[in-house]
Amino acid sequence: QVQLHESGPRLVKPSETLSLTCSVSGGSINSYFWSWIRQPPGVGLEWIGSISDSGSTNYNPSLKSRLTISRDTSRNQFSLKLSSVTAADTATYFCARRRPYCDGVCFYVLDVWGQGTTVTVSS
Amino acid sequence: DIQMTQSPSSLSAFVGDRVTITCRASQTIVNFLNWYQQKPGKAPNLLIYGASTLQRGVPSRFSGSGSGTDFTLTIRGLQPEDFATYYCQQSYSSSLTFGGGTRVEIK
Repeated sequence: QVQLHESGPRLVKPSETLSLTCSVSGGSINSYFWSWIRQPPGVGLEWIGSISDSGSTNYNPSLKSRLTISRDTSRNQFSLKLSSVTAADTATYFCARRRPYCDGVCFYVLDVWGQGTTVTVSS
Repeated sequence: DIQMTQSPSSLSAFVGDRVTITCRASQTIVNFLNWYQQKPGKAPNLLIYGASTLQRGVPSRFSGSGSGTDFTLTIRGLQPEDFATYYCQQSYSSSLTFGGGTRVEIK
């Protein structure tokens, strides 16, 4: 059973870089896609970006200039770095697996999620 | 980006009611539409993919329909454990987008 767990600082100062890691157990990040999603307090979900099984990345255009998603296959982890943060980046950050369910046509779903970690941007 | 608009943003219903949530895409997404349920303090949970296919283990009182730009999530016979927030999400584009969510509350 695949499990994901987010870790990283819970408090980040404005203008600094938010860094989170997602540790994957029960499965390899060399398969499927691995995503970051965030949820500001009381608000809906926002997709941040993904990294594929080959290491290629895909970012939300609104965050692309500040965002880096990378992976460490030896540790079976993938990471998020978001630079120049402001209070608007305060949110619960989730990592999730994105995989296809195929039956003729393939539908990509976020089928396994971490529990989420809340990050506050404040001085 | 493909914009996803859900309505209503919230609703109140009794246990046993039939509830319908709609999701509209800003352009055609064929049937590349997923639905998730999220309970307070928890991660979202996949309910339906491909607009109408139930994820394994999801009760049959949940159903999805639609294609193109207009989609519906229906819960027949609302149960106490169904009170939650529901999100649609398009997977037509590699840049994923979610609807704003529909909070289902107890009346």
